Amino acid sequence: DTAVSQTPKYLVTQMGNDKSIKCEQNLGHDTMYWYKQDSKKFLKIMFSYNNKELIINETVPNRFSPKSPDKAHLNLHINSLELGDSAVYFCASSQLTAGSPLHFGNGTRLTVT
Amino acid sequence: DQQVKQNSPSLSVQEGRISILNCDYTNSMFDYFLWYKKYPAEGPTFLISISSIKDKNEDGRFTVFLNKSAKHLSLHIVPSQPGDSAVYFCAASANNQGGKLIFGQGTELSVKP
Repeated sequence: DTAVSQTPKYLVTQMGNDKSIKCEQNLGHDTMYWYKQDSKKFLKIMFSYNNKELIINETVPNRFSPKSPDKAHLNLHINSLELGDSAVYFCASSQLTAGSPLHFGNGTRLTVT
Repeated sequence: DQQVKQNSPSLSVQEGRISILNCDYTNSMFDYFLWYKKYPAEGPTFLISISSIKDKNEDGRFTVFLNKSAKHLSLHIVPSQPGDSAVYFCAASANNQGGKLIFGQGTELSVKP
C-alpha cells in the first residue's frame, strides 16, 4: 500500500522522443508536486497542483506538461526530450497547510541518450 | 541564488556518538523548516520539522535546533546508528508559496560501527 507511487522507475530513451511519467497518491492529499534532482543532487520544484489546478510552475521549459486528471494523480509528459533532461524525477504530495511535510515517491530515473 | 545551504557534503561519525548536520538559509520569510532522509534509489522521507516560532523540536533520537538570528538550523542524532547512514536534506517553506519546499544540497552521513 505505497503512499506515493510513480511509474516507471527507470526510463531510457533517445533524444527527440516524447515520454510520460505517472504518479498516484493514496494519502488523500490535496496537493501534488513534481521535483527534479539533477546530477548535482539538487532537488528543485517544477510544478505543483492543488485540487487539479496548477499553482506552481517554476520556469520549466514548455516541453514539460503536467496533467492532473484528479487530485490523486499527477502525470508528467515531456516532449522532444533533450540530453539535459536526464535526471531523477520525484513526485510528492501533501496537504496544503503550513508546515505540512511532503511525501515523496521513489523517483523515476530518466536517461536520455 | 541558493536560499538553503548545507555546506558539508559529507559527515562520518562513530556508532553511538552524536551526529550534527547543519543548514543555513537566507530568506527570512521561511516559516517552517524540515529535515528529510534519503536512501539510494528511494525518495526522501520526512524526519522532523520545526516552526520558525520555536527554537527546538525533539522526536526520539532526533532533535532540530533553530537559531533565527543566525539563520541557521541543525539536526542532532543521538545516539547515531549504522542505519542512520543516508543523505540528509534540509528544506524550508514560506507561507503562501503553495506548499513548495526549497531544499539544500544534502549531507551524506556515514555512521561506522
